[in-house]
Amino acid sequence: QSVLTQPPSVSGAPGQRVTISCTGSSSNIGARYDVHWYHQLPGRAPKLLIYGNNNRPSGVPDRFSGSKSGTSASLAITGLQPEDEADYYCQSYDDSLSGWVFGEGTKLTVL
Amino acid sequence: EVQLVESGGGLVQPGGSLRLSCAASGFTFSSYAMHWVRQAPGKALEYVSAISSNGGYTYYSNSVNGRFTISRDNSKNTLYLQMGSLRGDDMAVYYCARGSSSWARNNWFDPWGQGTLVTVSS
Repeated sequence: QSVLTQPPSVSGAPGQRVTISCTGSSSNIGARYDVHWYHQLPGRAPKLLIYGNNNRPSGVPDRFSGSKSGTSASLAITGLQPEDEADYYCQSYDDSLSGWVFGEGTKLTVL
Repeated sequence: EVQLVESGGGLVQPGGSLRLSCAASGFTFSSYAMHWVRQAPGKALEYVSAISSNGGYTYYSNSVNGRFTISRDNSKNTLYLQMGSLRGDDMAVYYCARGSSSWARNNWFDPWGQGTLVTVSS
């Protein structure tokens, strides 16, 4: 059980908008630590998608955006495409654990 | 091109030991913290261990503390994870990843290696 909670799955049709939540606490996201997002295609290594709450690395389409408020963060994907089907993970730092943590992961299905 | 390549995975008996390596290229290895993350089959990512750019700071998750040792050789651009007293729940793909700075709590991880599979079984 991770200290960062994500929904196990989300789904949407091509072209739609979906959001993935990442809920933490006062010892991680609420302690003003940044939230970062990764996606992982089946059988592949994770790749950085969003860093520092809302920044995209070069090469990541602007269809992907991140936000953070209080003890939670969200990843939004607009204009859903079939190739977006993957697992998505949030990541932050936790004071109670004195270390880095990942969310439980969310499987995005494009209908 | 920034690249990380893990090696050293394989089959090991419960209670055994294994050393993983992560060869880095395409960047100044000695300037960045490095991290190990694992993923059991069908499971979520699990954070394992970190080491600062100069090796002066290390961190271990509760699940591996006392059994695993992280180290690095900046002259060889290589990161290591010495794993001991291996258990069934250590079976996973182990990824190395570069931190975003020398050592900071707000580190993100980019890039990641392709991973190396550790199988613990008798």
